[in-house]
Amino acid sequence: GAGVSQSPSNKVTEKGKDVELRCDPISGHTALYWYRQSLGQGLEFLIYFQGNSAPDKSGLPSDRFSAERTGGSVSTLTIQRTQQEDSAVYLCASSRLPWGGGHYEQYFGPGTRLTVT
Amino acid sequence: GNSVTQMEGPVTLSEEAFLTINCTYTATGYPSLFWYVQYPGEGLQLLLKATKADDKGSNKGFEATYRKETTSFHLEKGSVQVSDSAVYFCALSDPGGSNYKLTFGKGTLLTVNP
Repeated sequence: GAGVSQSPSNKVTEKGKDVELRCDPISGHTALYWYRQSLGQGLEFLIYFQGNSAPDKSGLPSDRFSAERTGGSVSTLTIQRTQQEDSAVYLCASSRLPWGGGHYEQYFGPGTRLTVT
Repeated sequence: GNSVTQMEGPVTLSEEAFLTINCTYTATGYPSLFWYVQYPGEGLQLLLKATKADDKGSNKGFEATYRKETTSFHLEKGSVQVSDSAVYFCALSDPGGSNYKLTFGKGTLLTVNP
């Protein structure tokens, strides 16, 4: 079946502009995660969705970052007033709903490479 | 908090050489441990995992054993191939928060020469 898809694959934007990054998870996966991969910081967790709610937003670096998920499926990560330090690859992953004592594999999308000039 | 420390490399080996990439972790609970691989131009893929102490994860000739006493999960392969050239990430998932988010090491770039 189809894997996790993300769009756009590349985005170049000017400092101060807003950007939206999209993630289409694997059908039926209740859990959705956003991560950021940058040279200086490695791979960092941003936010976790369980269905449409986000019980863990602890990784969002500032209030310029927000995310939503609708219909238990597609998720959008929005970065307002982009800064050069936002340049990174943004990765989305999905999995079946985690439960106590169990873990389901997270399947990653190919990422969106964001460059802020 | 949780953290993962891995050998950063880069590591360059000749084909058929033995590979070890060290990984140690700090966790508040009882984590599951993973190795992910990122081949050039591709997304992250799960390579292997272990969910409790003394478990050995294995896949494609790679192995790693969950050592609670040394808080380690070292990746090994007896004979690497050119096609193993990639970036390898050690990661943990701590169920303490019930969301299983992954905490990653910085990654190790492996280059295998023919």
